[in-house]
Amino acid sequence: KAGVTQTPRYLIKTRGQQVTLSCSPISGHRSVSWYQQTPGQGLQFLFEYFSETQRNKGNFPGRFSGRQFSNSRSEMNVSTLELGDSALYLCASSRIAGGTDTQYFGPGTRLTVL
Amino acid sequence: SQQGEEDPQALSIQEGENATMNCSYKTSINNLQWYRQNSGRGLVHLILIRSNEREKHSGRLRVTLDTSKKSSSLLITASRAADTASYFCATDATAREYAGGTSYGKLTFGQGTILTVHP
Repeated sequence: KAGVTQTPRYLIKTRGQQVTLSCSPISGHRSVSWYQQTPGQGLQFLFEYFSETQRNKGNFPGRFSGRQFSNSRSEMNVSTLELGDSALYLCASSRIAGGTDTQYFGPGTRLTVL
Repeated sequence: SQQGEEDPQALSIQEGENATMNCSYKTSINNLQWYRQNSGRGLVHLILIRSNEREKHSGRLRVTLDTSKKSSSLLITASRAADTASYFCATDATAREYAGGTSYGKLTFGQGTILTVHP
């Protein structure tokens, strides 16, 4: 069974631009969560989607948004990029709702904002 | 904010030795998971232990959970150079912590332990 895939793997943007990251969950998994990882803040939860609905959101500004499609694939968007948005963005999928099941992570998208 | 606190922050050992990492957390949990991360790559799931379990094994890994002390430990036996990585614990808080809601996919991670195994 294929794992979680994320595209692109690396991205370089400049301040003020916007970016869209994509995540394809493991087949049959309906929950997709997104995390941001930085050296200073560590791994922080962004949001979770299940059946195309965002059901949980972390403490991030409204510039961070996402969506989920009917095939469970998910995208996250960051608008008006800031230098501090440089990070590794990880998505994770699980079979069922919430964190009660194992979450499987993708390889991440490394975003650099110049 | 990080719920988990991992100890030690860094651990350096020789191949063949055992490595023990500890994790403490603050809220009531449904389960606790341990992950490994190699050099800024994705997280690899190692083991999940539920709040009603006290110990779990998987190959060379042994995880314990003490909910009364809100702590967990990960033991890697007979370590190998390939075990060199960062190790994170992640907790899924109970619904009570979300005012009647659920955690809905939110794992709260510790800062991690950097393990270096020298050949």
